[in-house]
Amino acid sequence: QVQLVESGGGVVQPGRSLRLSCAASGFIFQNYGIHWVRQAPGKGLEWVAVVWYDGTNKYYSDSIKGRFIISRDNSKSTVHLEMNSLRDADTAVYYCTREKELEAPFDLWGQGTLVTVSA
Amino acid sequence: QSVLTQPPSLSGAPGQRITISCTGSRSNIGANYDVHWYQHLPGAAPKLLIYADSGRPSGVPDRFSGSRSDTSASLAITGLQAEDEADYYCHSYDISLSGYVFGTGTRVTVL
Repeated sequence: QVQLVESGGGVVQPGRSLRLSCAASGFIFQNYGIHWVRQAPGKGLEWVAVVWYDGTNKYYSDSIKGRFIISRDNSKSTVHLEMNSLRDADTAVYYCTREKELEAPFDLWGQGTLVTVSA
Repeated sequence: QSVLTQPPSLSGAPGQRITISCTGSRSNIGANYDVHWYQHLPGAAPKLLIYADSGRPSGVPDRFSGSRSDTSASLAITGLQAEDEADYYCHSYDISLSGYVFGTGTRVTVL
């Protein structure tokens, strides 16, 4: 079954860290770039980060640059998002999604995992 | 704050046609980057609706169509149906941000 499954969400205090995972199955994982996209409560979709198919390049949105780190393990078909110095504004559902090549559409999405930053 | 602007909401009666606009600039749509569209139902994963301006993935009804012109793009829904009630987002790449951008989103209501 072709799918992406996120995990690792939960409630965390401001300033703390959390690690999200995205597990892929049913397709050739190393052929795809993997992105994280989030949706804060009542807000729209916001692109967060991408790691290229081979892990050589990583890019981040300005809102999380310097705090979040994206990585991948092609041997385990998994992508991680290490989130540090979390803020209230990081509260959102986090989705992972795939992209075949630059400018290609995000054609497969996970169901999302909820991260709540609250004291 | 998104650089792609969409109307916050649109509504139409069953069977009608509606058009959702996505207004960008010369650093994204105007720079000839592809525009994609997604349908997002509450509690579900976003679903790819239109790719590369006007392409339709397998399984997407031909009631959905996309187009672009200069620095904007549009998604048209003809023969509106109750199941089309959802949020819709455009998506592209922005060279000045060196990153991907989504539109502000449009909530479609079927009257």
